[in-house]
Amino acid sequence: ETGVTQSPTHLIKTRGQQVTLRCSSQSGHNTVSWYQQALGQGPQFIFQYYREEENGRGNFPPRFSGLQFPNYSSELNVNALELDDSALYLCASSLNGGLNYGYTFGSGTRLTVV
Amino acid sequence: KNEVEQSPQNLTAQEGEFITINCSYSVGISALHWLQQHPGGGIVSLFMLSSGKKKHGRLIATINIQEKHSSLHITASHPRDSAVYICAVKTSGSRLTFGEGTQLTVNP
Repeated sequence: ETGVTQSPTHLIKTRGQQVTLRCSSQSGHNTVSWYQQALGQGPQFIFQYYREEENGRGNFPPRFSGLQFPNYSSELNVNALELDDSALYLCASSLNGGLNYGYTFGSGTRLTVV
Repeated sequence: KNEVEQSPQNLTAQEGEFITINCSYSVGISALHWLQQHPGGGIVSLFMLSSGKKKHGRLIATINIQEKHSSLHITASHPRDSAVYICAVKTSGSRLTFGEGTQLTVNP
C-alpha cells in the first residue's frame, strides 16, 4: 500500500508565473483535498476532488484551479502567482471524503514566490 | 474568532512529563482529528474521534461533544515527541478546518 506522494518538494517561482503541483493518492482512495499552509499557521482548505469532480472549495480565488485524473491523482494549478502564495501546499487523500477512515497526507510542496 | 482554537500555542516540557494540548471548536462536527507535523512539513494522522476516548501507545485523545472540546495527552513525554500538534474538525461537506497548531518541545 503506497502513501501520498507530492511533487516537487520545493519550488521557487517569480511573481506572475504559473505553477503546477502534483499529488498521487494512496492506493484505494478516491478523494483528494488540497490545503495551503502559511508559515506558523494551520492549513487552509483550497478544494477537494471526488471521482474527478470538484466537490468543495474554500475561500481561494479562481486562479487556484485543480484537476483529478482517472487514477485519482491530482494537480493544483496556480496562475498569476503573488508573493502571498508562498506557502507549504499539502494534499490529503481519503476514501469517500474521509467519512470513516480518515486522511493520508503527503509531505507537501514548499512554494516560494519571489 | 477561528472555528477551531488550540491551546497552548507553544509548550516546552522536560522529558518524562505528562502533556495536555486542548482544542475547542464552535461548529457542528462529524469527526475531530489530531495530527502531528514535523519540521519537514509532512503530516501524520494520530487519531480520528467522534466520541469518547482513544489510546495509542503513550498518546490518548478524548472528546466531549456537548462541550465542543477535545484534549490530546502524551504520557512519559520524550524528545522525539517534539513536533507541531494540530487539531482539525470535519464539518458537513468535504472540508477539514484546522487549528493553528501547538508547537511542543520536549527537552532531555
